[in-house]
Amino acid sequence: EVQLVQSGAEVKKPGESLKISCKGSGYSFTTYWIGWVRQMPGKGLEWMGIIYPGDSDTRYSPSFQGQVTISADKSISTAYLQWSSLKASDTAMYYCARHVSDYYYYMDVWGKGTTVTVSS
Amino acid sequence: EIVLTQSPGTLSLSPGERATLSCRASQSVSSSYLAWYQQKPGQAPRLLIYGASSRATGIPDRFSGSGSGTDFTLTISRLEPEDFAVYYCQQYGSAWTFGQGTKVEIK
Repeated sequence: EVQLVQSGAEVKKPGESLKISCKGSGYSFTTYWIGWVRQMPGKGLEWMGIIYPGDSDTRYSPSFQGQVTISADKSISTAYLQWSSLKASDTAMYYCARHVSDYYYYMDVWGKGTTVTVSS
Repeated sequence: EIVLTQSPGTLSLSPGERATLSCRASQSVSSSYLAWYQQKPGQAPRLLIYGASSRATGIPDRFSGSGSGTDFTLTISRLEPEDFAVYYCQQYGSAWTFGQGTKVEIK
C-alpha cells in the first residue's frame, strides 16, 4: 500500500525553528515529486512547494520562497519541511502529498497532516 | 501565476439532488493539468478527478468532471450523505495552485 506518514503535532514559540517530516512507503520514493500544502485554520489549501528526491530538485511557490525549506533524504524515503524562525502566522495544518507529473498533473496520495501551533 | 476561482462559495442541497461546481481559470489551462479534490472535516484531501474528466481509483461514477480552457465543472449526479464536504480544483501551469474551495452543505 502506498502511504505517506507524517510526523506528529508540534507546539512551538515564535522565533523557534522546526522541521517536520513525511515518510513514503509502498512505492519508489525517488521517482515521484513530493510536496507540501498548507491549510490555515478554517481556510483553503495553499500549495507551498515540491522536491524530487531522486536529484533534490526543488520548486517553491512564490508565496513561500524564502519562508520555508523543503528537503529530502532518499536513503530513508523521507521529505522535510523546515522553518528557521517560526511566526504565529505559521500556525496551520501541513499536508505532504505525492505529485504525479507525467502526462497528467495531480496529487494522488496524501499524508494525514501535521498540525503546527506557534504561540507565545 | 494562474488563479482559479471557484463558484459558488457554498452550495446548499438535499441528498439525491444534483450538484454543479464551477472552477474558472485566469488563463487557459491544459485539461491534463486540472484536478478536483474532496475534503471532509478533520481529513486530508482526497483526489476525485484528474485530467479534468478521469475519475481516480475507487471514485463512484456519480462524480464527473468536464470542461476545457478556462472553464471546468465538477458534477455530482445524485448527492449521497457522504458527499457533503468541501471541493477544491487544482491546476498546474508554471506552478501548482488551488481554487479557494466550494462547500457543499446539507439544505
